[in-house]
Amino acid sequence: DTGVSQNPRHKITKRGQNVTFRCDPISEHNRLYWYRQTLGQGPEFLTYFQNEAQLEKSRLLSDRFSAERPKGSFSTLEIQRTEQGDSAMYLCASSLDPRLEQFFGPGTRLTVL
Amino acid sequence: AQRVTQPEKLLSVFKGAPVELKCNYSYSGSPELFWYVQYSRQRLQLLLRHISRESIKGFTADLNKGETSFHLKKPFAQEEDSAMYYCALSPTSGTYKYIFGTGTRLKVLA
Repeated sequence: DTGVSQNPRHKITKRGQNVTFRCDPISEHNRLYWYRQTLGQGPEFLTYFQNEAQLEKSRLLSDRFSAERPKGSFSTLEIQRTEQGDSAMYLCASSLDPRLEQFFGPGTRLTVL
Repeated sequence: AQRVTQPEKLLSVFKGAPVELKCNYSYSGSPELFWYVQYSRQRLQLLLRHISRESIKGFTADLNKGETSFHLKKPFAQEEDSAMYYCALSPTSGTYKYIFGTGTRLKVLA
């Protein structure tokens, strides 16, 4: 499968724990996006990378959230001191150009107990 | 503020009936607009984008700048069209923030 992959697919954690998600984009795509999706909502933009540079972060991304994309390949999204409100589907997408389509991964479903 | 509005959460139609999924946007410039679809147990995928002016799976969408709308239409719905549909906006300057609507669930009844 040469599409976008995300790991883990599901994560259950206790409030206050740290979690890290990984996204592997399509190899030639230099643009990478993270989104959060809650029930009944569309994907909400969290952050954007162009190669290894994080060029934009949403105000939704509190200081408990951090994302990296070392070497412009895979990306990680870490949430520290998780809260129940962080429970959501976290989506990753990659593209060659913002005017072209984004290719989405299957998502990581986070449940914070 | 930039916004995408999909007023219908659920749209049910009978097979063979016409379908129109509404999308209105708020953006000061000329955005790039897309429709994404998510079938059951599948990932989100592009259905069509306005710049290509194409028809995919019988669906078309016309950008109306005067009404700031980008409604998705199909003349004859099929059962396999049942899915979640999201309208999305990509700004053309000032930000990389992609904006999605809240989605419309389309149910095509036999």
